[in-house]
Amino acid sequence: AQRVTQPEKLLSVFKGAPVELKCNYSYSGSPELFWYVQYSRQRLQLLLRHISRESIKGFTADLNKGETSFHLKKPFAQEEDSAMYYCALSAGGTSYGKLTFGQGTILTVHP
Amino acid sequence: KAGVTQTPRYLIKTRGQQVTLSCSPISGHRSVSWYQQTPGQGLQFLFEYFSETQRNKGNFPGRFSGRQFSNSRSEMNVSTLELGDSALYLCASRDGGNTIYFGEGSWLTVV
Repeated sequence: AQRVTQPEKLLSVFKGAPVELKCNYSYSGSPELFWYVQYSRQRLQLLLRHISRESIKGFTADLNKGETSFHLKKPFAQEEDSAMYYCALSAGGTSYGKLTFGQGTILTVHP
Repeated sequence: KAGVTQTPRYLIKTRGQQVTLSCSPISGHRSVSWYQQTPGQGLQFLFEYFSETQRNKGNFPGRFSGRQFSNSRSEMNVSTLELGDSALYLCASRDGGNTIYFGEGSWLTVV
């Protein structure tokens, strides 16, 4: 069975401070990991995926298979980063369309 | 390109009734999946359709069903509605690169 855990329901930081949103997963195979973001009054949208290995809006995430983690990081948070963030897992293959989501973390960046 | 479109956006139904929700994927996308979002359970996968065939199914009772048409448009149906079915129902479509795009959702309230 697949499981994604985001231990922090709420996370508050000040503008310019580093931010790290934690995500741990359990899956016996080789998963594909994603971070989705939902800004206020907007639809859920993909932020980044581990296979792309790219930085989006200053965010990066590294898949650590040993620790089964996929934490999202940004060195200097901005107020516009305030949103709900979801970590998600896909088993890949014919299960690409099936995402298992964590409970989400609400990030608030204070001025 | 137009995004994933869901109708209706809001609806209120009575216990015991049934409801049909509609989803139009992004043009060219052949995979459509459905998710239920509630405050208590978060985002949960319902099912995925690809080229009119159900490819994956989540852990929901048989009252939840779906289908996909030859133009990739999809519908989901919930029969014998229960109060606990009140939720935001999200539709998503997937492109050839396995990026998933979400609609704005249909808010269902069961009274």
